[in-house]
Amino acid sequence: SYVLTQPPSVSVAPGQTARITCGGNNIGSKSVHWYQQKPGQAPVLVVYDDSDRPSGIPERFSGSNSGNTATLTISRVEAGDEADYYCQVWDSSSDHFYVFGTGTKVTVL
Amino acid sequence: QVQLVESGGGVVQPGGSLRLSCAASGFTFSSYGMHWVRQAPGKGLEWVAFIRYDGSNKYYADSVKGRFTISRDNSKNTLYLQMNSLRAEDTAVYYCAKDLKYGSGSPIDYWGQGTLVTVSS
Repeated sequence: SYVLTQPPSVSVAPGQTARITCGGNNIGSKSVHWYQQKPGQAPVLVVYDDSDRPSGIPERFSGSNSGNTATLTISRVEAGDEADYYCQVWDSSSDHFYVFGTGTKVTVL
Repeated sequence: QVQLVESGGGVVQPGGSLRLSCAASGFTFSSYGMHWVRQAPGKGLEWVAFIRYDGSNKYYADSVKGRFTISRDNSKNTLYLQMNSLRAEDTAVYYCAKDLKYGSGSPIDYWGQGTLVTVSS
């Protein structure tokens, strides 16, 4: 099965940049989507197809994907960005199809 | 605006069955693929099942294959998840979710608020 590995936690000071990685075998050949989930709430799509943003998502959220690592970057971090973040891909080569990463807790110091 | 409202969750004994429903509104339901995604207490997201816009293809996670069945009624704008032979490890909040666009591998752009399923004796 296809596995997506994320760091359990990332800490960042307000105004700084947070980078959240998502590792997977040749993930650069797949489209990666990123979701933000705050406690007690449903997830929200923040980046899709590696680097596109849905309407209403601030430009501070950006994504990249190459080789074995995809990255979600949050610039000028705000207190409201504190949440869990999950990457996700569609893996047509296995029976697992839609795979979520292990999740990263972003803490704003 | 898009609304997805799940119902049918509750407490069930191991080996029991439950059917979840998701009432959709605010978009053309029959044009979009739909998912069920679950989240065990304190854990991450786990994709459960997907159904194409017309119901012609269905995909399942290995963990539920043979026990869960996803279906939809486009005339009622409703998505279903029939869950049989439930296990303790199926305990989770179950989210109904909508594809952003047509085609395999589309991201999910809307989620319901979830319904809690607890499997316990």
